[in-house]
Amino acid sequence: DTEVTQTPKHLVMGMTNKKSLKCEQHMGHRAMYWYKQKAKKPPELMFVYSYEKLSINESVPSRFSPECPNSSLLNLHLHALQPEDSALYLCASSQAGGLVDEQFFGPGTRLTVL
Amino acid sequence: GESVGLHLPTLSVQEGDNSIINCAYSNSASDYFIWYKQESGKGPQFIIDIRSNMDKRQGQRVTVLLNKTVKHLSLQIAATQPGDSAVYFCAEVVTGNQFYFGTGTSLTVIP
Repeated sequence: DTEVTQTPKHLVMGMTNKKSLKCEQHMGHRAMYWYKQKAKKPPELMFVYSYEKLSINESVPSRFSPECPNSSLLNLHLHALQPEDSALYLCASSQAGGLVDEQFFGPGTRLTVL
Repeated sequence: GESVGLHLPTLSVQEGDNSIINCAYSNSASDYFIWYKQESGKGPQFIIDIRSNMDKRQGQRVTVLLNKTVKHLSLQIAATQPGDSAVYFCAEVVTGNQFYFGTGTSLTVIP
């Protein structure tokens, strides 16, 4: 299995809602990543987990809360988001924790905040 | 066809022609570079990478060239096919702990 899967594909939420994005990989990778991508812009790195520990947090607001329950799963918990947080949220994984490893991306979750 | 990734975000080429996509970077501490392809509705897909101690690397139909003197990276695609139509991003790793995607170039292949 060489896929990174993400659920849901689409999510619409209000500013007072709490929701979670999920990401899963079964390639035995030990690093997982969250990116945010606005339309017609490049992905921006948000968080990196390496061996289930948060290794990089790119000064992301606390309304985004990552969680790595095990080496195959990565969640992004969302609470009190703003309309400007609407974007495509991409998950990726790589074999080890270094940023120089090839990253495998999922198809993303398209998030709309009303 | 040829583009400068940061200044001409779109590139159209005839099927069968070679494509050149360019990327400029500013950080001399960047030590690793990657090209990704992103098709509509999909996540980015790794194409090829190059370390800063190299100036050229070849893959299947793709070649990456690195010119550290002028901080310039290019992706050459030989015999461009309709399936190559996508947005291409260069990405750089700085001192092993910072990762940035470039602006991206949209490649359209005309059959």
